[in-house]
Amino acid sequence: DTGVSQNPRHKITKRGQNVTFRCDPISEHNRLYWYRQTLGQGPEFLTYFQNEAQLEKSRLLSDRFSAERPKGSFSTLEIQRTEQGDSAMYLCASSGYKFSSGNTIYFGEGSWLTVV
Amino acid sequence: GESVGLHLPTLSVQEGDNSIINCAYSNSASDYFIWYKQESGKGPQFIIDIRSNMDKRQGQRVTVLLNKTVKHLSLQIAATQPGDSAVYFCAETGNTPLVFGKGTRLSVIA
Repeated sequence: DTGVSQNPRHKITKRGQNVTFRCDPISEHNRLYWYRQTLGQGPEFLTYFQNEAQLEKSRLLSDRFSAERPKGSFSTLEIQRTEQGDSAMYLCASSGYKFSSGNTIYFGEGSWLTVV
Repeated sequence: GESVGLHLPTLSVQEGDNSIINCAYSNSASDYFIWYKQESGKGPQFIIDIRSNMDKRQGQRVTVLLNKTVKHLSLQIAATQPGDSAVYFCAETGNTPLVFGKGTRLSVIA
């Protein structure tokens, strides 16, 4: 088990283009989370899945953002018509089936997005 | 967690000294807390966690203290080393996804 894997690690795109990030969680973790982090700030919650079901979405997740987890394993986060304000690090994390009860949440190394 | 500003609080400690990083959490319903270490350009790395039915938990060179009365969490690092230099975040959860507090930048002076 190599931990949470994210790719690409870095992406530079022109404003208006679409980008997609992929996350492979720790195997057997059925919860998967997406967070966004900008410089000097803590990670902010975007959305999470339990198996293939998307259970919660933050209001930060505008309609240009869509996340999927079709088979309950890997997940993708797509940003359409990127804007400069989308520049951030997009973090994926995974855990067992409950928020609390000691189900540790492990993060990947993040995918850096720069919109020029 | 608290609202986050652009400038992180900074703690500078001498190598070999003990470090104490504090965090105030916001949700009294939170029952699970995690400390993460984040190095530049990397994702948050799990350090230690604690459930709300405990007030202290020890790991290797790290101790987390929880005071539910005042909603305060602290991370103690013993014999701080240069490799401990990073930004440290506390995070809370209960019936909501993990919420991160304001980070603290730890700088270790060799």
